Amino acid sequence: KQEVTQIPAALSVPEGENLVLNCSFTDSAIYNLQWFRQDPGKGLTSLLLIQSSQREQTSGRLNASLDKSSGRSTLYIAASQPGDSATYLCAVNTDSWGKLQFGAGTQVVVTP
Amino acid sequence: DVKVTQSSRYLVKRTGEKVFLECVQDMDHENMFWYRQDPGLGLRLIYFSYDVKMKEKGDIPEGYSVSREKKERFSLILESASTNQTSMYLCASNTGYSNQPQHFGDGTRLSIL
Repeated sequence: KQEVTQIPAALSVPEGENLVLNCSFTDSAIYNLQWFRQDPGKGLTSLLLIQSSQREQTSGRLNASLDKSSGRSTLYIAASQPGDSATYLCAVNTDSWGKLQFGAGTQVVVTP
Repeated sequence: DVKVTQSSRYLVKRTGEKVFLECVQDMDHENMFWYRQDPGLGLRLIYFSYDVKMKEKGDIPEGYSVSREKKERFSLILESASTNQTSMYLCASNTGYSNQPQHFGDGTRLSIL
C-alpha cells in the first residue's frame, strides 16, 4: 500500500527566507504527484501537478521537483511571505481514476 | 473558473440521524470524490464516482453511502450518524486525465452530537 510522508510536520521561517518542503512515497508506480495548500478551516487549493514523466514544475515563486526512482518530491517556495502561511499537502495519484493518497502535511508559519 | 461547491460549511446533527452532504461541480468533470480529514489521520478517501450512477468504495466506506444521479452532483449519505463521524468532509472532482489536478470544495465541518 502506498504511504506518503511529509517532513517536517511544522516549520517556522522569517519572511524572505526560502521554504523547502519534503514529500516521500513508498511506491514509485505513480501517475502524478500533486501539491496543495490548505488554509485553516478551508478546502485544498491545487498548487502544482507533476506528471510521472516530468522532473519539475514551476509556477511563479513555486517550484516542485520529482525523483520517482527514489520516491521523493520537494516543493520550493522562494522569498517567503506571511501570506504563504498555511498547511502544504502532497498527494500521489496511483491509479487511472485519479484517486489520491495524501501525506499528513507540513504546517508553515512565515513571521514578518 | 473551476468551482466545486459544498452545500454547507458547518452542520450539526444528532446521533442516529440520516445526514446528506451535497457537492456540485460546474466543470463537467467525470470523476468525483468524497474525503474526510481528521487531525493526525490526514485525508482519507470514502467513496468516488467515475460516471453517473457509478461508484466505488474508497479506503473507509463503512457507515457511508453515495449517490450520483446527475454528472454535476455527488452526495454523501451517513445512514445513521455516529459521533465518530464528526469530521471535516471534502468533496473533489477531476477530469480523469492524469495531467489534470483534483479540484476541492471548501469542506463541510460536520459535528454529530
